[in-house]
Amino acid sequence: AQKITQTQPGMFVQEKEAVTLDCTYDTSDPSYGLFWYKQPSSGEMIFLIYQGSYDQQNATEGRYSLNFQKARKSANLVISASQLGDSAMYFCAMRGGYQLIWGAGTKLIIKP
Amino acid sequence: GAVVSQHPSRVICKSGTSVKIECRSLDFQATTMFWYRQFPKQSLMLMATSNEGSKATYEQGVEKDKFLINHASLTLSTLTVTSAHPEDSSFYICSASGGIGPHNEQFFGPGTRLTVL
Repeated sequence: AQKITQTQPGMFVQEKEAVTLDCTYDTSDPSYGLFWYKQPSSGEMIFLIYQGSYDQQNATEGRYSLNFQKARKSANLVISASQLGDSAMYFCAMRGGYQLIWGAGTKLIIKP
Repeated sequence: GAVVSQHPSRVICKSGTSVKIECRSLDFQATTMFWYRQFPKQSLMLMATSNEGSKATYEQGVEKDKFLINHASLTLSTLTVTSAHPEDSSFYICSASGGIGPHNEQFFGPGTRLTVL
């Protein structure tokens, strides 16, 4: 069965520090995609970054990068130089067929 | 591009009434739309998947007669919560996909917060 695991329910990080949000996945499909979304208190789901299973390089999008370790089945999100506006829920998701399989999420709070 | 709207953003209703939530893809044709439910501090739970012109596919445990989904066109899907009760209070989010985007991803609406009194 396909599964996404986020083991950090909550994290506190000092502003301007880098933060790593953990995500491990389980699938037997050789082809899959991994997404990270940010959900601020307003509720909207904001797409951050994507990693395909066949991508040779780790994905990067501005301050966001994905530490993709295929053998370990992990896809951790790294946010560099955190900002107060980064405070939100963060969800890791895997495309399984036409659906998205969601992790439980991590609540990130950036301290000034 | 790839904007999805939801209406209303917030609704409060009395127990026993029905509530309709609209999800529209504004600048692309959405061949598939998804409806999610999210409880406070929890992840998204997929309720159903709908394809334009066909009946929705509901996830296990989701009552079809309670949550009516209509995907009448390539840009509009509606979720009707029939005879709503306080336990139906939740945050409902729709998403749409249409084979667009660099990752063929789902594009999310802003969500609808339903409160049933």
